[in-house]
Amino acid sequence: NAGVTQTPKFQVLKTGQSMTLQCAQDMNHNSMYWYRQDPGMGLRLIYYSASEGTTDKGEVPNGYNVSRLNKREFSLRLESAAPSQTSVYFCASSAQGVGNQPQHFGDGTRLSIL
Amino acid sequence: GENVEQHPSTLSVQEGDSAVIKCTYSDSASNYFPWYKQELGKGPQLIIDIRSNVGEKKDQRIAVTLNKTAKHFSLHITETQPEDSAVYFCAASPGNTPLVFGKGTRLSVIA
Repeated sequence: NAGVTQTPKFQVLKTGQSMTLQCAQDMNHNSMYWYRQDPGMGLRLIYYSASEGTTDKGEVPNGYNVSRLNKREFSLRLESAAPSQTSVYFCASSAQGVGNQPQHFGDGTRLSIL
Repeated sequence: GENVEQHPSTLSVQEGDSAVIKCTYSDSASNYFPWYKQELGKGPQLIIDIRSNVGEKKDQRIAVTLNKTAKHFSLHITETQPEDSAVYFCAASPGNTPLVFGKGTRLSVIA
């Protein structure tokens, strides 16, 4: 049982390049989330999907887009990468409801933008 | 919206001593309060959670207390061990919006 799987684990981009971060969960969870983690800033929510077919902005959505491809998969796209988007990105999922259930996290994608 | 403050940002304790991390929240409607442990190079992992209808919850060496009146909750780790060294995050939510996380506490247990 893999839980939440994120690909790739590491990536280096040049400013202006685009990239899609992939996330898949095998727990039959309804809700999925994308966070970024920067030193001293904790976990900040970028976008979330309460259920298949819906997506909503979080605290820091600018510069990102998301797609809930199906119940299992939730991708995060950077259309034109900027150095300020250098961060560790975490995907998470929860069974149902966006705020009252435990979230299960992947092990992150470490993204550097030069 | 909800705002969660977490203290201290770093904490060093001797092996076998207790560690306490405190969080305050702003939204009185918040009713779910999880704690996560993040080891180096890994994603956060839930270690314990508490809901607003309970004042305290224990799981072996870990306990969480909640004071709804003061709007704060705390993580207590007793008999600390080197493997407890990690970054710990608190979070809160009123249930209809996503969790809001504190900025984290780096705990170092010195053998």
